[in-house]
Amino acid sequence: DAGVIQSPRHEVTEMGQEVTLRCKPISGHNSLFWYRQTMMRGLELLIYFNNNVPIDDSGMPEDRFSAKMPNASFSTLKIQPSEPRDSAVYFCASSPGTGSPAGELFFGEGSRLTVL
Amino acid sequence: DQQVKQNSPSLSVQEGRISILNCDYTNSMFDYFLWYKKYPAEGPTFLISISSIKDKNEDGRFTVFLNKSAKHLSLHIVPSQPGDSAVYFCAATRGGADGLTFGKGTHLIIQP
Repeated sequence: DAGVIQSPRHEVTEMGQEVTLRCKPISGHNSLFWYRQTMMRGLELLIYFNNNVPIDDSGMPEDRFSAKMPNASFSTLKIQPSEPRDSAVYFCASSPGTGSPAGELFFGEGSRLTVL
Repeated sequence: DQQVKQNSPSLSVQEGRISILNCDYTNSMFDYFLWYKKYPAEGPTFLISISSIKDKNEDGRFTVFLNKSAKHLSLHIVPSQPGDSAVYFCAATRGGADGLTFGKGTHLIIQP
């Protein structure tokens, strides 16, 4: 079975540019989560969706960040304009909601973003 | 304000010995706790979990202990093996549906 697929794996961009990160969750999973990992703050939850509907975006740091889930098999996280402090590894994770330990998430391999 | 804390950024243990990773939490509403393991350039993978109604859960070499009164949990790995070298994240959730709150992780190094 394919796991959570993220693209790109690595992105290097210049300050002010738009960045779009993509995620394909595991088929059949009804919850999708975006996390950001930095040395200072560890893994932070940015936003999550349930059945394609955004439930909690309180972790999104600023209006420069936006996320969409147009259908059950695709989600994007966009940063516009990007800043050097956005440099981090961004993880997408999905969850089946039932049939697995409560809270168990399946993570993608991450997208490493570097903003110069 | 960190709700889940892992106070040891790194831990070095000899192969064959017991590894003990610790985690503290502040939110008494958390009712499920999980440990994740992460290798470099990979995403975290689920390792073991425990419900707040239990105080111990065991899976092979891995055992998680929960002390609710102290708001503390620990992961025991015995015996430790070289493949256990990774970053271990403690995570907690309330109800299981709202995502996980993670600690900053502990880098476990197993020495031969």
